[in-house]
Amino acid sequence: AQKVTQAQTEISVVEKEDVTLDCVYETRDTTYYLFWYKQPPSGELVFLIRRNSFDEQNEISGRYSWNFQKSTSSFNFTITASQVVDSAVYFCALSGSSNTGKLIFGQGTTLQVKP
Amino acid sequence: DTAVSQTPKYLVTQMGNDKSIKCEQNLGHDTMYWYKQDSKKFLKIMFSYNNKELIINETVPNRFSPKSPDKAHLNLHINSLELGDSAVYFCASSQEDSYGYTFGSGTRLTVV
Repeated sequence: AQKVTQAQTEISVVEKEDVTLDCVYETRDTTYYLFWYKQPPSGELVFLIRRNSFDEQNEISGRYSWNFQKSTSSFNFTITASQVVDSAVYFCALSGSSNTGKLIFGQGTTLQVKP
Repeated sequence: DTAVSQTPKYLVTQMGNDKSIKCEQNLGHDTMYWYKQDSKKFLKIMFSYNNKELIINETVPNRFSPKSPDKAHLNLHINSLELGDSAVYFCASSQEDSYGYTFGSGTRLTVV
């Protein structure tokens, strides 16, 4: 079975703090893909990153960075110097080669950044 | 141009009614999906079509019927609406399995 767990339901930080959102996944597939999506209060799902299981390099995009560790089945997301506009629900998701392309989402982490 | 467009954005209807949500993508993707987001924000796949052919049908009541007239369109028809159907429904498309998904802006369905 495939599963994604985001243990942090809600996180509240003050602007300019760094924050890490945790994601742990389970899969028996050797080829799989991991994603992060952002859902701001307006409701749309915004794609942030896709990673395949063979690429463990960390990625940095501006204030965002991702740490993929196969050894611990984790794909954590860090926002550096958070801003109020980062307030949103963040979803980690998994798609394995055995599941015909469907995304398995985690429960989501609600991030509130206070001014 | 919107890549994946859903209509309507909001839908309020009474129990027992039948309603449809339409989805169109102009990305040339082969695969389209319907996802449901419940009141606790949990997202789960309902259906997937590849080139008009149904490939994923999760445990969804028979009252939900997807229809794909061509690979650019995937509509969702819901019969005999129930209070528990209230949710946000997202359409999505992808070019190949797991390459990348583009989501529509969602349809908020409220059954009263």
